[in-house]
Amino acid sequence: DGGITQSPKYLFRKEGQNVTLSCEQNLNHDAMYWYRQDPGQGLRLIYYSQIVNDFQKGDIAEGYSVSREKKESFPLTVTSAQKNPTAFYLCASSIDRQGRGGYTFGSGTRLTVV
Amino acid sequence: EDQVTQSPEALRLQEGESSSLNCSYTVSGLRGLFWYRQDPGKGPEFLFTLYSAGEEKEKERLKATLTKKESFLHITAPKPEDSATYLCAVQVNRDDKIIFGKGTRLHILP
Repeated sequence: DGGITQSPKYLFRKEGQNVTLSCEQNLNHDAMYWYRQDPGQGLRLIYYSQIVNDFQKGDIAEGYSVSREKKESFPLTVTSAQKNPTAFYLCASSIDRQGRGGYTFGSGTRLTVV
Repeated sequence: EDQVTQSPEALRLQEGESSSLNCSYTVSGLRGLFWYRQDPGKGPEFLFTLYSAGEEKEKERLKATLTKKESFLHITAPKPEDSATYLCAVQVNRDDKIIFGKGTRLHILP
């Protein structure tokens, strides 16, 4: 079955550490996205990529980095510069580059700073 | 400023008690409006896309409608398994930006 796989499901980070969240899709979708979800807030866009080897900052990119070396993969690194990283992170993809048909989401990674 | 507001924040219904969730929006130009369902600890699941005022889409007990200012997600004779958070998102014409609302938490009591 086609879909988006996020791993790990739970991740714990110590202060000052960088951590990388994995996102893989086998839908052959062009565009991929990273969102952050906090209680009581709407989803906020961190980064997105419409084609391989290209990506754009979203609304809250500070403290995060991404790469898009393969169409199937869009990993997100949460750096030590991100001051409040505890959140639920969602990866999504869309068949068209503008997301006009809606998104397919992964099951999420919950990151906790310890 | 482009905005999406969902109401109510939370809704408790008895099984079989029909109701509606609201998504109101103020954007410079609407390209599309999306509804998603999200279960606790999981990613959102796509339900509907609506593109123009007057459009309606149905799926099982859910029906989504769209006007020039808002969308409704009508739930008819809900069951406990319909309990979830329902998210609305709007795509803006100008730059294809997608703005999510904060969601409505729906709880159906057996």
